[in-house]
Amino acid sequence: DSGVTQTPKHLITATGQRVTLRCSPRSGDLSVYWYQQSLDQGLQFLIQYYNGEERAKGNILERFSAQQFPDLHSELNLSSLELGDSALYFCASSVTGGPQQTQYFGPGTRLLVL
Amino acid sequence: SQQGEEDPQALSIQEGENATMNCSYKTSINNLQWYRQNSGRGLVHLILIRSNEREKHSGRLRVTLDTSKKSSSLLITASRAADTASYFCATDALYQGAQKLVFGQGTRLTINP
Repeated sequence: DSGVTQTPKHLITATGQRVTLRCSPRSGDLSVYWYQQSLDQGLQFLIQYYNGEERAKGNILERFSAQQFPDLHSELNLSSLELGDSALYFCASSVTGGPQQTQYFGPGTRLLVL
Repeated sequence: SQQGEEDPQALSIQEGENATMNCSYKTSINNLQWYRQNSGRGLVHLILIRSNEREKHSGRLRVTLDTSKKSSSLLITASRAADTASYFCATDALYQGAQKLVFGQGTRLTINP
């Protein structure tokens, strides 16, 4: 158990809908990362937050947004969902967010868009 | 495009044998990390090697780094069925002024009993 929690574990929804994925980092970790893992694209970095502020942005679509709250939990919002958004979404956390830090991954949310 | 590329994409060996996976990357790095992922689960950090290190050990894991060739290898000795998983290398990359990890596509390792 990494100490990172993600909810829900599974999510099935329809195209055009909007969903929110939630992540709670390890106790003491200030930085949160979001990744998307699909069969054809591999593990793609989406976005990173550090202590409530956006730190780095990766291949995140404009339909997607995220935020980190004062209690350091984070939410990833996916809107106008398309079939291709079906994937595993992982959250990870690290102490300060530097590149030499180990990232601790949550169990993921499996999203299926029908 | 991916910073790290693992090779082979899939590897199947008998229990007790050694497994070697390779990772190549494109730009200069500060460090390289290896992660393991069991099917459909989160990634687990295995080992980090810094750019000024050439070799690092952790239990049955041995990682090498050759910055002149921009490549790394992960060796798992005396493999066990529980080592069956996908293995990813991750390199730090400067992106929009911030350092972030970029993961390769992974090597799927199967240990046959």
